[in-house]
Amino acid sequence: AQSVAQPEDQVNVAEGNPLTVKCTYSVSGNPYLFWYVQYPNRGLQFLLKYITGDNLVKGSYGFEAEFNKSQTSFHLKKPSALVSDSALYFCAVSPRGGGADGLTFGKGTHLIIQP
Amino acid sequence: GAVVSQHPSWVICKSGTSVKIECRSLDFQATTMFWYRQFPKQSLMLMATSNEGSKATYEQGVEKDKFLINHASLTLSTLTVTSAHPEDSSFYICSARGRNIQYFGAGTRLSVL
Repeated sequence: AQSVAQPEDQVNVAEGNPLTVKCTYSVSGNPYLFWYVQYPNRGLQFLLKYITGDNLVKGSYGFEAEFNKSQTSFHLKKPSALVSDSALYFCAVSPRGGGADGLTFGKGTHLIIQP
Repeated sequence: GAVVSQHPSWVICKSGTSVKIECRSLDFQATTMFWYRQFPKQSLMLMATSNEGSKATYEQGVEKDKFLINHASLTLSTLTVTSAHPEDSSFYICSARGRNIQYFGAGTRLSVL
């Protein structure tokens, strides 16, 4: 069985500061990892994914994530936060990387960027 | 591109009635779609995988006779909650596989009275 943990229900960051949203995972086999963002009354939007290769993955809206196999982590990062980044962020894992399987999600982290 | 439309966005029904939720991929074809359920302040839980032209695959603990899934075309999957009861009240979200990732609809909030 696979699982995802997002240890923080909420993260507060001042605008312009770097942000990190934490995610750890547990899978058997190779992990295929994703980050999605959810804005109110809108569907989850894909940010980025790790399948294989470079441990630092760059995605949409200036976000990036670092895959760390030894720590089984896939933390989401951004060098300079914007107020518009405030949303609910989900980390997810899949048995395969091609989108053919349902995702196992973490519980989500509310990111609040303060002006 | 890669837009998934889900309809209705909100439905209220009486206990014992059935409710149909539609999930459409608007600008791409999706041989595989997924249905998730989200309880308040909890994560999304996969209910079933819907493949075009074949029977859906349900996750353990999900009643296939309660949650009927039909994926009759490459752009449409439907979820029917049959004989709905208050405990079926939840937020239902669909996704469609396109370009090797899943694209999500905005969700349907079901309230059963």
